[in-house]
Amino acid sequence: GESVGLHLPTLSVQEGDNSIINCAYSNSASDYFIWYKQESGKGPQFIIDIRSNMDKRQGQRVTVLLNKTVKHLSLQIAATQPGDSAVYFCAENKITGGFKTIFGAGTRLFVKA
Amino acid sequence: DTGVSQNPRHKITKRGQNVTFRCDPISEHNRLYWYRQTLGQGPEFLTYFQNEAQLEKSRLLSDRFSAERPKGSFSTLEIQRTEQGDSAMYLCASSSRHLQVGLGNEQFFGPGTRLTVL
Repeated sequence: GESVGLHLPTLSVQEGDNSIINCAYSNSASDYFIWYKQESGKGPQFIIDIRSNMDKRQGQRVTVLLNKTVKHLSLQIAATQPGDSAVYFCAENKITGGFKTIFGAGTRLFVKA
Repeated sequence: DTGVSQNPRHKITKRGQNVTFRCDPISEHNRLYWYRQTLGQGPEFLTYFQNEAQLEKSRLLSDRFSAERPKGSFSTLEIQRTEQGDSAMYLCASSSRHLQVGLGNEQFFGPGTRLTVL
């Protein structure tokens, strides 16, 4: 069935270093992939997205890479800051057909000062 | 505050009782979603509305669960005869095809309602 999973449940990085969070997906039919950030006690917050016909997309301090050959998605955070500490979810859906979004289990990012 | 709001933020109930949660989406958003999230897991899709029409329901949404969006604005999620397994965070999100930050259907989430069934 459809699934979106993450390679590591936790990631610890030093403040100022770059972070890379990885995600594997299994549904080749997904049109669209999204990264969300969830801080304690809050709902998920949109970070960046990418369509299936793209390989890379950049935002402010964040880059999402999509490798369709191996069904792999990654989120790169440059110059990680303490405020980046949170759980990060990758998610996938189809732009047509109901917008049902499937979330992975999440990676907790710890930023050490 | 123009974000998605949910009430109550916390609900403690006894097994067998009925509970109802409310979600007020961002006012210009025509799409509304309900998710359930348990500790350490990602949100699980429950149901989706476009305006007042409920277009998709997950198999997770048993017959004890019902969601409505009568006027295409706020939505309610009711759980009847609650069970301990219903304990979770219930998240609401909204989106609009015409009001996107990203490329597709990014959803804006509320803070959630945490349900504890004793």
